[in-house]
Amino acid sequence: GAGVSQTPSNKVTEKGKYVELRCDPISGHTALYWYRQSLGQGPEFLIYFQGTGAADDSGLPNDRFFAVRPEGSVSTLKIQRTERGDSAVYLCASSLSSMNTEAFFGQGTRLTVV
Amino acid sequence: KNQVEQSPQSLIILEGKNCTLQCNYTVSPFSNLRWYKQDTGRGPVSLTIMTFSENTKSNGRYTATLDADTKQSSLHITASQLSDSASYICVVSVSGGSQGNLIFGKGTKLSVKP
Repeated sequence: GAGVSQTPSNKVTEKGKYVELRCDPISGHTALYWYRQSLGQGPEFLIYFQGTGAADDSGLPNDRFFAVRPEGSVSTLKIQRTERGDSAVYLCASSLSSMNTEAFFGQGTRLTVV
Repeated sequence: KNQVEQSPQSLIILEGKNCTLQCNYTVSPFSNLRWYKQDTGRGPVSLTIMTFSENTKSNGRYTATLDADTKQSSLHITASQLSDSASYICVVSVSGGSQGNLIFGKGTKLSVKP
């Protein structure tokens, strides 16, 4: 596709449920990033993939959060036993390779845990 | 601790006026500095990327400056338009170590009034 695509655009789930958020990066981009953005705040780093491997997952807040990118393209962010504090906009970005190249962001998935 | 501080937190200006947004950072080792524009409900869009050796970079009515000695950057918007209303986020990337680690500021929310 022409840009980074994230689905769903909105997700409402009950506390304790499991959710999956999907990111389709720009074709050919080897680097993929997940961020979380709370209202009025800048994006907060979660995890970074280079190809299929997670090069840096130091931003994942706890073991309820997990992300995969099995074929080096689409990535899924998985959140288990969701809590109300997980409510935020989850942003995905991709770039050609290194961090010196421009990162393109998707529209985000707005997650609301009720 | 790697940090990016932006000021002001919010700003209201009249259409046609100029404005300057500030960014101070304590990120080491520094790789590059980026300014992003984020419209409400959308993902951030890159305006400029500057490396250590670049002092200024322009993108239309947007001009970014970088002083690597004082670790300060500014984004100047000339002849503002209503469509400039958005959050402007300063992002500094860390060189070496874990790649893909972009340190985000909290953003400056700009409102341009007619």
